[in-house]
Amino acid sequence: NAGVMQNPRHLVRRRGQEARLRCSPMKGHSHVYWYRQLPEEGLKFMVYLQKENIIDESGMPKERFSAEFPKEGPSILRIQQVVRGDSAAYFCASSRSQENTGELFFGEGSRLTVL
Amino acid sequence: AQSVAQPEDQVNVAEGNPLTVKCTYSVSGNPYLFWYVQYPNRGLQFLLKYITGDNLVKGSYGFEAEFNKSQTSFHLKKPSALVSDSALYFCAVRDTSGGYQKVTFGTGTKLQVIP
Repeated sequence: NAGVMQNPRHLVRRRGQEARLRCSPMKGHSHVYWYRQLPEEGLKFMVYLQKENIIDESGMPKERFSAEFPKEGPSILRIQQVVRGDSAAYFCASSRSQENTGELFFGEGSRLTVL
Repeated sequence: AQSVAQPEDQVNVAEGNPLTVKCTYSVSGNPYLFWYVQYPNRGLQFLLKYITGDNLVKGSYGFEAEFNKSQTSFHLKKPSALVSDSALYFCAVRDTSGGYQKVTFGTGTKLQVIP
């Protein structure tokens, strides 16, 4: 059973470009979470999605960031007009249900570097 | 609002000695508590969780954690540390009140096991 798959693992962008990060959840999982990890800051929640729905985007910056989880295909975190401060590791996690007792299953992360 | 505190940025312990990584939490209702481990350039891996019942929970790789409601703590422990335990450890909490709750992570504690 394949785990959570994220790509690309590493992405380099210049300021002003767009970054697209993809996440395929574990088989049978329909709930996806995106987190951002910065040194010294731990893991910060960004957004929680189910198929075709954004459930909680309370951690998403108001501008330039968007996320989707279409009926078919992976979840995508999109960062427009990237700035140096967007450089971070972005982790996707999935779960089978919304049940609060369940643990999250994480991908290996996508490391974004903005030049 | 829920929160997690990991008061130590780094913990050093000699191989073979017992280790403790501290975690305290704050929630409105009752907590669901989790520990995850992250090796360099990897995603987070689930170690153990407390949902209800026995305050001492056992997890992967010989780790265990003790839930203490009066002290709002969930410290991670292992009787005998291995060099291979060196990694970044995250405590996480989910509030049980009010339906869906996102998972909130602490800032992480780097465990260094010295040969």
